Amino acid sequence: KAGVTQTPRYLIKTRGQQVTLSCSPISGHRSVSWYQQTPGQGLQFLFEYFSETQRNKGNFPGRFSGRQFSNSRSEMNVSTLELGDSALYLCASSLEANFDYGYTFGSGTRLTVV
Amino acid sequence: DQQVKQNSPSLSVQEGRISILNCDYTNSMFDYFLWYKKYPAEGPTFLISISSIKDKNEDGRFTVFLNKSAKHLSLHIVPSQPGDSAVYFCAAAGGTSYGKLTFGQGTILTVHP
Repeated sequence: KAGVTQTPRYLIKTRGQQVTLSCSPISGHRSVSWYQQTPGQGLQFLFEYFSETQRNKGNFPGRFSGRQFSNSRSEMNVSTLELGDSALYLCASSLEANFDYGYTFGSGTRLTVV
Repeated sequence: DQQVKQNSPSLSVQEGRISILNCDYTNSMFDYFLWYKKYPAEGPTFLISISSIKDKNEDGRFTVFLNKSAKHLSLHIVPSQPGDSAVYFCAAAGGTSYGKLTFGQGTILTVHP
């Protein structure tokens, strides 16, 4: 079965711009989480959505936002981009927040802010 | 405040031997622990998990041990294979954390033929 699909794979944006990243979870998965990976901070949790509702949010500024659609696809948006937002953004999905089977991650979107 | 720590940035072992990756945590609210493997340019791949009501969980060549009193867990890979070479992340979750995994910084495992 298809895995978690993230688009685009690579993005280059200029400081001050905004960006939208997309995530299609595994069919049937209703929980979608987003993470940011940087060399200095490692993997950090951004937010989690379930049935179009944000259930949990990490310690990121309000410039980072997300949403989930009725088909469980999710998007995250970063406004007023800063150089420090350059990172690998990962999306993960699960049937429910079931840690027995972990979360399945996509390959990520590599965002470079110049 | 780093709540999940992997103190060894790297580990090198010979093919066929045991690899032991370690992880420490500080938050007593964590009640679920997971291990992920990551190759460059790919997302993390789930390996194995353990809940706090257990002290051991096995899946094939992978075994995770949990010592709650020491707030320590370890992943054993036996026997190690060159294809196991990757970055290994320990992650923890607690209560109604809804999708929030707190990750360690990772350990680079290299298995030499």
